[in-house]
Amino acid sequence: DQQVKQNSPSLSVQEGRISILNCDYTNSMFDYFLWYKKYPAEGPTFLISISSIKDKNEDGRFTVFLNKSAKHLSLHIVPSQPGDSAVYFCAASVGFSGSARQLTFGSGTQLTVLP
Amino acid sequence: DSGVTQTPKHLITATGQRVTLRCSPRSGDLSVYWYQQSLDQGLQFLIQYYNGEERAKGNILERFSAQQFPDLHSELNLSSLELGDSALYFCASSETGGPTDTQYFGPGTRLTVL
Repeated sequence: DQQVKQNSPSLSVQEGRISILNCDYTNSMFDYFLWYKKYPAEGPTFLISISSIKDKNEDGRFTVFLNKSAKHLSLHIVPSQPGDSAVYFCAASVGFSGSARQLTFGSGTQLTVLP
Repeated sequence: DSGVTQTPKHLITATGQRVTLRCSPRSGDLSVYWYQQSLDQGLQFLIQYYNGEERAKGNILERFSAQQFPDLHSELNLSSLELGDSALYFCASSETGGPTDTQYFGPGTRLTVL
């Protein structure tokens, strides 16, 4: 049972335009969400996160939106650059407490930004 | 470069064999996590250690075991290997292992079981 789903395996966007990557989750206990970026032959790199008490978090060109009622989050990249071409993973966790945080990942979306 | 190192980068072995994957966390990080990424799958959390002790367990098979040593490096042992164990194995580390920590990932070890 996939608790975190990224239904688009790939996305192509023109340089300078907006990239929108989507993620859906089924576990209503998730209260912390993250996006990771992965280049070939490297490990995932943390990009941006959002807790369930917010509906938007921004960091430079990257904005994450959370819609709790729809159990949906999205990552917006504006403007997109060729260097953004990578696999993007959505992840979620339960229990914003002092205990360990176990991440549940989606299967990833390959973003290609065309020059 | 995340500061997390994993060895070896590639490992090819046969069914039934046993292998050990090694991970050195970032300097100062006390917590280590292991993840498995199979073909077209997301990363599956296996296990977490904090300062030498197991802190959380995910979907780790009984044939797999891990430990974190006093110098904080960690090893993931995979035994009685099956074809389905072929995957990328990632190690990550974080400062305290708590909920606000960012996990920093190593480059992974690609295991191929023939």
